[in-house]
Amino acid sequence: AAGVIQSPRHLIKEKRETATLKCYPIPRHDTVYWYQQGPGQDPQFLISFYEKMQSDKGSIPDRFSAQQFSDYHSELNMSSLELGDSALYFCASSSLGRETDTQYFGPGTRLTVL
Amino acid sequence: KQEVTQIPAALSVPEGENLVLNCSFTDSAIYNLQWFRQDPGKGLTSLLLIQSSQREQTSGRLNASLDKSSGRSTLYIAASQPGDSATYLCAVRSGNTGKLIFGQGTTLQVKP
Repeated sequence: AAGVIQSPRHLIKEKRETATLKCYPIPRHDTVYWYQQGPGQDPQFLISFYEKMQSDKGSIPDRFSAQQFSDYHSELNMSSLELGDSALYFCASSSLGRETDTQYFGPGTRLTVL
Repeated sequence: KQEVTQIPAALSVPEGENLVLNCSFTDSAIYNLQWFRQDPGKGLTSLLLIQSSQREQTSGRLNASLDKSSGRSTLYIAASQPGDSATYLCAVRSGNTGKLIFGQGTTLQVKP
């Protein structure tokens, strides 16, 4: 079965640089979520999109932005990177309107800011 | 504001033991609760999802229960195996946008 695809899997950036993370949800899923997991931390919700519209926003810095495109893939853009942005970034997808609403997570992008 | 807590933070058991992981949440108005497994540095694998109207779900050696009124869920693992060693996270969906609020996880080690 198709899973959530994230790219790249690993990314190394310098401080103040920009990074773009991509997410391809499971086909026919209508909702995409982004989470950030710092070292030894639980995942923290950043932002979500339902049918290409932003549906919720969590503790996402103003330096970050995201969008969902017409083919339902999503991109998380991170600018002016800081050392504290080093983390695992997960994308998840679900079919929000369905009864089960299980969220399926991608393998994550490990971002290291030097 | 919904808060999710998992106890214990770490657990070490000999192979073959049955064990229970606990998850509690502060706001009982939830849509569902999901249990995940995470291996070190890896992604999250969904194990079980319990809807707010359900009391329990089973998958193989795993059984998850939900008591919404008391704000508690348990994950029961039967006949534990070394391959079960991982961090187990519970997450609650409270709002209609679907975002999950995670607990800090229980790191399980099953010794051969």
